Amino acid sequence: AQSVTQPDIHITVSEGASLELRCNYSYGATPYLFWYVQSPGQGLQLLLKYFSGDTLVQGIKGFEAEFKRSQSSFNLRKPSVHWSDAAEYFCAVGYGGATNKLIFGTGTLLAVQP
Amino acid sequence: SAVISQKPSRDICQRGTSLTIQCQVDSQVTMMFWYRQQPGQSLTLIATANQGSEATYESGFVIDKFPISRPNLTFSTLTVSNMSPEDSSIYLCSVEGDEQYFGPGTRLTVT
Repeated sequence: AQSVTQPDIHITVSEGASLELRCNYSYGATPYLFWYVQSPGQGLQLLLKYFSGDTLVQGIKGFEAEFKRSQSSFNLRKPSVHWSDAAEYFCAVGYGGATNKLIFGTGTLLAVQP
Repeated sequence: SAVISQKPSRDICQRGTSLTIQCQVDSQVTMMFWYRQQPGQSLTLIATANQGSEATYESGFVIDKFPISRPNLTFSTLTVSNMSPEDSSIYLCSVEGDEQYFGPGTRLTVT
């Protein structure tokens, strides 16, 4: 069965430090992969997505993610974190090869220290 | 882009009662989706709602518990029936556009 694993439940980084959030997926074919951010009291916002092509994907707010098929991973990175990045981040995979039905990971809660 | 609104934004309900959640989108869409986010957990897809046909439910979710209506291309409702405390969750609707858009969610607490 398809699944998404985010091993880090909670991460704290200092403002200005780099960030990497881990995501591993389980799917037999080439997956459709997504990263969403959920800020307190707000809805989910798409940061970036990977469907095919270049395995390094650029997203909004300075985020990027790299698809590594050999590792079944799609880690999210940002070179310099801002205090406004504090939020919960969800990795997701398209359900059964779909792009509109998603299986989400359990999320990583990011705290940013001044 | 798509702008999605949900009503109510939150509610506290007694066990055994039912709550209907509304989802309105500002453009016509073929498919609408309902997700549940239980406390401290991730989002789980409940069902897919197409206009003019019955909703398609994911494993573990049934129509008697979560009846869905889709009367037109911009609106859907999800009813949480015969509620128990385990139904306390955030319920989100979602639509497909150039990306998958999510509503702000309805926070339901069942006492």
